[in-house]
Amino acid sequence: DAGITQSPRHKVTETGTPVTLRCHQTENHRYMYWYRQDPGHGLRLIHYSYGVKDTDKGEVSDGYSVSRSKTEDFLLTLESATSSQTSVYFCAISEGREAEAFFGQGTRLTVV
Amino acid sequence: GQNIDQPTEMTATEGAIVQINCTYQTSGFNGLFWYQQHAGEAPTFLSYNVLDGLEEKGRFSSFLSRSKGYSYLLLKELQMKDSASYLCAVNNQGGKLIFGQGTELSVKP
Repeated sequence: DAGITQSPRHKVTETGTPVTLRCHQTENHRYMYWYRQDPGHGLRLIHYSYGVKDTDKGEVSDGYSVSRSKTEDFLLTLESATSSQTSVYFCAISEGREAEAFFGQGTRLTVV
Repeated sequence: GQNIDQPTEMTATEGAIVQINCTYQTSGFNGLFWYQQHAGEAPTFLSYNVLDGLEEKGRFSSFLSRSKGYSYLLLKELQMKDSASYLCAVNNQGGKLIFGQGTELSVKP
């Protein structure tokens, strides 16, 4: 199995609070991705990174920010959580554009 | 814009063959991926196509036509454990990996 871990695995937070999810890899892969998965929507790309300090927006980036200060860590921050951000969040890593992506086990976030 | 379409649900019988279609319109193309996702689990890689044609891997095959923006995943000798969601994804020019909504496959005895 690819070395990718997400933390926390579950979190309940209150509306308006900041939340940070962490994705950590031990594979030294260049690309890292953050997705959210909701019923009826599949996996939607939030942000992705193609190198240290190189990030770009995905399909649903509003309300989210990311940082990648080192190869192994990709952080997703919800500056002020809203109920619409209740979801399952997946991180993925990939060696390159033509390489398969490996997924973390997901983080279930509930905003109340 | 970018758009990836696949059927929402499909049902098939154990032992049969099923074909799951995917059509796409993306800005740039670096390949098309198929993933399998069981309920409550993370997606896992099934296949990758970057050139036109058929790629076969055991009971699973995937086909790509770049000119038509079309792919399919073919599952043979269906087993109950194949009941899962099947996700079509395209890696575009910028390195974005974009997914379709997924096809929920139910395999019946």
